[in-house]
Amino acid sequence: GENVEQHPSTLSVQEGDSAVIKCTYSDSASNYFPWYKQELGKGPQLIIDIRSNVGEKKDQRIAVTLNKTAKHFSLHITETQPEDSAVYFCAASGNTGFQKLVFGTGTRLLVSP
Amino acid sequence: GAGVSQTPSNKVTEKGKYVELRCDPISGHTALYWYRQSLGQGPEFLIYFQGTGAADDSGLPNDRFFAVRPEGSVSTLKIQRTERGDSAVYLCASSLVVGLDTQYFGPGTRLTVL
Repeated sequence: GENVEQHPSTLSVQEGDSAVIKCTYSDSASNYFPWYKQELGKGPQLIIDIRSNVGEKKDQRIAVTLNKTAKHFSLHITETQPEDSAVYFCAASGNTGFQKLVFGTGTRLLVSP
Repeated sequence: GAGVSQTPSNKVTEKGKYVELRCDPISGHTALYWYRQSLGQGPEFLIYFQGTGAADDSGLPNDRFFAVRPEGSVSTLKIQRTERGDSAVYLCASSLVVGLDTQYFGPGTRLTVL
């Protein structure tokens, strides 16, 4: 089955810096890659997603890139703010006919003022 | 509009007891998912409903776990003879349709088995 690896496990940046989180997946048939932000005591919240027919997608300060050949995708956050501090999860959907998400282990992002 | 809601937010029980966790999906969403999140880990898939039927329950760890969605809306996850290893946050998500559609997560139920 699908396996998703995520790095780094923790990331500390200064406010205004950029942050990059990387994920790799194992199932070449995966075709949907969402990113979720989870704050303490809350459920995951979708922040951006990308489908396999697109190489890059951007939404204001957040962008995701996908390299299907290498089977990896990355989250880029520019001009980080303290409120970006949270745990971020990448996920991939395998070729199961429905959207069973396989998640990475998470990256704890800390943005210091 | 209202998002996915889950009750209770916290549940403490004793080893061997039976528990029920409830999920109210976003109105009109036909697909409903249950995930389990252990401390420091990402959510792990448990079961998926399309309408009233469990389309895939391959993630349920054993036969002590069961879920229902009798009217195609509210779902209940049931755990029999709870064990300490069942302690985790149980997350529910819903999506408008089956397939590559955004899953919206609820806040979760934190289950603690003493």
